[in-house]
Amino acid sequence: AQKITQTQPGMFVQEKEAVTLDCTYDTSDPSYGLFWYKQPSSGEMIFLIYQGSYDQQNATEGRYSLNFQKARKSANLVISASQLGDSAMYFCAMRENTQGGSEKLVFGKGTKLTVNP
Amino acid sequence: GAVVSQHPSRVICKSGTSVKIECRSLDFQATTMFWYRQFPKKSLMLMATSNEGSKATYEQGVEKDKFLINHASLTLSTLTVTSAHPEDSSFYICSARGLFFSTDTQYFGPGTRLTVL
Repeated sequence: AQKITQTQPGMFVQEKEAVTLDCTYDTSDPSYGLFWYKQPSSGEMIFLIYQGSYDQQNATEGRYSLNFQKARKSANLVISASQLGDSAMYFCAMRENTQGGSEKLVFGKGTKLTVNP
Repeated sequence: GAVVSQHPSRVICKSGTSVKIECRSLDFQATTMFWYRQFPKKSLMLMATSNEGSKATYEQGVEKDKFLINHASLTLSTLTVTSAHPEDSSFYICSARGLFFSTDTQYFGPGTRLTVL
């Protein structure tokens, strides 16, 4: 079963408008972390925002905010005032604790965002 | 802060040769480093987790003898693809998690594109 689901393979948004990228997750662990990364065509993975499962407030980082709805197990990324440079792949990821005591990131399949001028 | 470098960024080699990829945390000490593989237009797949001074933990299906990982210091991990074959051609990307970070965020290197002829 997929741990991280990103249902939007591609999204389009007009420059200066806001866009929401969906992410739902599945875990039975009460302690987890959720991340969003941006991957431009150059390939590098750029960390955008983090939400801990016990965080009371939704995370915000500049134009990025995370709409964390714990009961629904969703962690949607909201990008406000889109810019042309926001065009990229966006990956949602969850920190998963393994049985051996270590942890790993599990990634969704990604959403390709295109910002139109 | 939290800069991770990878070298080389691109490598082309002949089938049967070995290729070493370096991953360095430049401005922090990385207790744990992770190696991922990404196929075109796909998500990241974790290959292995390495902790400084100990053996790497490989994900199911990843050949330990083919993908040798060494994490000799708190700032350097290497991935050696031994006896590379064309099916090993891929984008390899490392990440590092810092010792004193307030969150468990992984910071990624820029990736290495390996082409095996």
